[in-house]
Amino acid sequence: GAVVSQHPSRVICKSGTSVKIECRSLDFQATTMFWYRQFPKQSLMLMATSNEGSKATYEQGVEKDKFLINHASLTLSTLTVTSAHPEDSSFYICSARASGAYSYNEQFFGPGTRLTVL
Amino acid sequence: EDQVTQSPEALRLQEGESSSLNCSYTVSGLRGLFWYRQDPGKGPEFLFTLYSAGEEKEKERLKATLTKKESFLHITAPKPEDSATYLCAVQAWGNTGNQFYFGTGTSLTVIP
Repeated sequence: GAVVSQHPSRVICKSGTSVKIECRSLDFQATTMFWYRQFPKQSLMLMATSNEGSKATYEQGVEKDKFLINHASLTLSTLTVTSAHPEDSSFYICSARASGAYSYNEQFFGPGTRLTVL
Repeated sequence: EDQVTQSPEALRLQEGESSSLNCSYTVSGLRGLFWYRQDPGKGPEFLFTLYSAGEEKEKERLKATLTKKESFLHITAPKPEDSATYLCAVQAWGNTGNQFYFGTGTSLTVIP
């Protein structure tokens, strides 16, 4: 149980294009999902917290207009990197906070999406 | 300022050589401490949650303990398949109570 998927797992795009990453909780409902970015040999940095049906809360320094987050349902959140540039290349990981049968506090992570902007 | 520090940064063990990884934290009101395992190019895999000092959790060769200032992840008789980066995260009672503070991880290599 508590499986989180991400799609795509890997994407390469040209500078200036937009990329959408999906995060799904497969066997549980997630009222809250989190988006992280991880650079090589660094830890996870929280970008934003999204709650189903409401606007995402962004961490300081994260551009809201550049990283669009939509949490349309209890099992799906999307992150769109708009007008991507090479400096946006990174490993993007989502997580979902489970409720119900699982501990309220635990976050379960997706497998990550490797974004490379040329 | 809330902070999580993991040590050592990297650890090489011979197969069967037990050791411990450390996660020290300074947060205003600990809500939970979490251990994750991360393999290269993959998302973190949940291992343990600890909520209060004195608590211990075990899973196979891993045992996590918690004090008021730090947590230890003990690895008993490790095998090569235990090689991974182990991440510690702390959840604090902040504005939303949601914030996870991650350490930079300990990269463990177990040599056959």
